Amino acid sequence: DQQVKQNSPSLSVQEGRISILNCDYTNSMFDYFLWYKKYPAEGPTFLISISSIKDKNEDGRFTVFLNKSAKHLSLHIVPSQPGDSAVYFCAATGSARQLTFGSGTQLTVLP
Amino acid sequence: DAGITQSPRYKITETGRQVTLMCHQTWSHSYMFWYRQDLGHGLRLIYYSAAADITDKGEVPDGYVVSRSKTENFPLTLESATRSQTSVYFCASSAVDTQYFGPGTRLTVL
Repeated sequence: DQQVKQNSPSLSVQEGRISILNCDYTNSMFDYFLWYKKYPAEGPTFLISISSIKDKNEDGRFTVFLNKSAKHLSLHIVPSQPGDSAVYFCAATGSARQLTFGSGTQLTVLP
Repeated sequence: DAGITQSPRYKITETGRQVTLMCHQTWSHSYMFWYRQDLGHGLRLIYYSAAADITDKGEVPDGYVVSRSKTENFPLTLESATRSQTSVYFCASSAVDTQYFGPGTRLTVL
């Protein structure tokens, strides 16, 4: 039973346009959410996070939105660049410090 | 250099052999974690450690053993490797909520 779901295995976007990656969770005890980016043959790298007391967090081209009532978060990348092409994982944690990951979305930004 | 390292980066072994994957971090983070990544599953937690000499099971601990005698090291041992343990293994560490990952070890069990 997946507690964190990324229902889109892949997404293609034109360079300069907005990329929107989605993530749903089922565990209401999750109170901190993170996005990681992963290139082939490398470890995941931390991108951005959001606490459950907020509904939006912004860092440069990256914005994460959290809708607690819908148990849904999304990552917006504006504008998308070819270097953003990677697998994006959302993750969630409660008080135990353990991260529960989604299965990932492969983003391809087309030049 | 500061950071988190894993060794070896690639390993091929045979069914039934014992294999140890190494993880070393220089941040003095109290928490360390081991994950495996398989297609369609994302990253799944194998074991984690809150401090030296404190370890606990994650989602998929069967067939694995960990130890943590020093804060900076967290080795993962497959006592008798099976083909189903072919995977990419990632080690991570954290001080608070954000975990930082090593480059991974690709393990193939023949």
